[in-house]
Amino acid sequence: NAGVMQNPRHLVRRRGQEARLRCSPMKGHSHVYWYRQLPEEGLKFMVYLQKENIIDESGMPKERFSAEFPKEGPSILRIQQVVRGDSAAYFCASSLQGHEQYFGPGTRLTVT
Amino acid sequence: DQQVKQNSPSLSVQEGRISILNCDYTNSMFDYFLWYKKYPAEGPTFLISISSIKDKNEDGRFTVFLNKSAKHLSLHIVPSQPGDSAVYFCAASDGRYGGSQGNLIFGKGTKLSVKP
Repeated sequence: NAGVMQNPRHLVRRRGQEARLRCSPMKGHSHVYWYRQLPEEGLKFMVYLQKENIIDESGMPKERFSAEFPKEGPSILRIQQVVRGDSAAYFCASSLQGHEQYFGPGTRLTVT
Repeated sequence: DQQVKQNSPSLSVQEGRISILNCDYTNSMFDYFLWYKKYPAEGPTFLISISSIKDKNEDGRFTVFLNKSAKHLSLHIVPSQPGDSAVYFCAASDGRYGGSQGNLIFGKGTKLSVKP
C-alpha cells in the first residue's frame, strides 16, 4: 500500500517563475487537502478538493495560487509568479472516510 | 488568534519515563482531535485520535486524554523511547464538510527529546 506521494521533494524557483507541486493520494482516497508550513509554525490549511471539485479554498491566497484534482492524475497546487514569502514546506494529505488524514513527505519550495 | 495552542515548544524526558504533551483549544465546535508526529524533512505521521464524545483513547504506549470542560487534551507516552524524539502536533477538526471531513487546525508543535 503506497502512501501519499508528493513530487518534487525540493523545488527551487526564482522570483516571478511558476511552481507546480504534485500530490498522488493513497489508493482509494478521494479527499485531498493541501497545507503549508512556515518555519517554526504549525501547518496551515490551504484547500480541500475532491475529484474534479474544489470544496473549500478559503485558506489559499486569492491571487497567484490555484489547485486542481482532475479525474485522472495527481492533484496539482500551482503558484504563479512566486515571491520569497512563498518559500515554505507544502504538504498534501488524503483521507478515505473519517477524520484521519494521511500526509505525504512534502515539497520544500525555495524562492531565490 | 490561535484556536489550537501547544504552549510548550520543547520537552525533555528520560528514556523509560512518561512524556506528557499538552494542547489547549478555544473552539467548542471542534468534534475530533488528532496527534501527529513529525521528523525533520518528513511529513506528519498520524499517531492517535479521539472523538469529542470520549475522554480517553489508548493505543499501545500512547494514550490521549480529553477534558472538554477545560478545552484541554494531552498525549501520554509511556514508556518513552529515544525513537519517540520528534515534533508532536496537536490538531483539531470540526467536520465542517460532512461525512467526518474537515480541515485540520494545527498547534505549533512540541519538540520532544527522549534521552537514553
